[in-house]
Amino acid sequence: GAGVSQSPRYKVAKRGQDVALRCDPISGHVSLFWYQQALGQGPEFLTYFQNEAQLDKSGLPSDRFFAERPEGSVSTLKIQRTQQEDSAVYLCASSLYSGQAHDEQYFGPGTRLTVT
Amino acid sequence: AQKVTQAQTEISVVEKEDVTLDCVYETRDTTYYLFWYKQPPSGELVFLIRRNSFDEQNEISGRYSWNFQKSTSSFNFTITASQVVDSAVYFCALSEAGANNLFFGTGTRLTVIP
Repeated sequence: GAGVSQSPRYKVAKRGQDVALRCDPISGHVSLFWYQQALGQGPEFLTYFQNEAQLDKSGLPSDRFFAERPEGSVSTLKIQRTQQEDSAVYLCASSLYSGQAHDEQYFGPGTRLTVT
Repeated sequence: AQKVTQAQTEISVVEKEDVTLDCVYETRDTTYYLFWYKQPPSGELVFLIRRNSFDEQNEISGRYSWNFQKSTSSFNFTITASQVVDSAVYFCALSEAGANNLFFGTGTRLTVIP
């Protein structure tokens, strides 16, 4: 398909485990965003890439969260030593142009992370 | 600071009724963008509309219409003749000029009863 894909769709981790969440943006899209959506809440911004450069990581909640996009396409969000409060849906979005959030963002289906 | 308030947590309507979803925003910027997204049970956010702060014209797209009023800092969304397929969570969002991210409200869950 031509949309944003994310894997896995569901992940259960025991407290203290490390997890890696993958995002495949739409081919050719310059910008890539990660959001965290807690149950019953709206998505909250985590980080933003323009090609391979991580230009904004102001939303990452702690140094246990790390994201990368080494070749400017696929991105991985890694969470180390998971805690129960990390349980949420992690959404990835991409947009064609660089920078501005007012460009239309195309969202993936999300990865639902449950930390037990 | 930016803020988006969707005071209606859940709304239920009977099919074919009209329904309006409210969105009130706060921003100090004079240039900003407002959005509505739909999140069906599958979880994927679907873009519905984007308006910039300089364009207060109301917009209609099929059964959907949007009313942007800067005087009240509101960007309300109306669905006319609702259908069961409209059942979803709807999010209003804001981005300020130069910002890298969207700032979302908490969403309104719409249930259309057949």
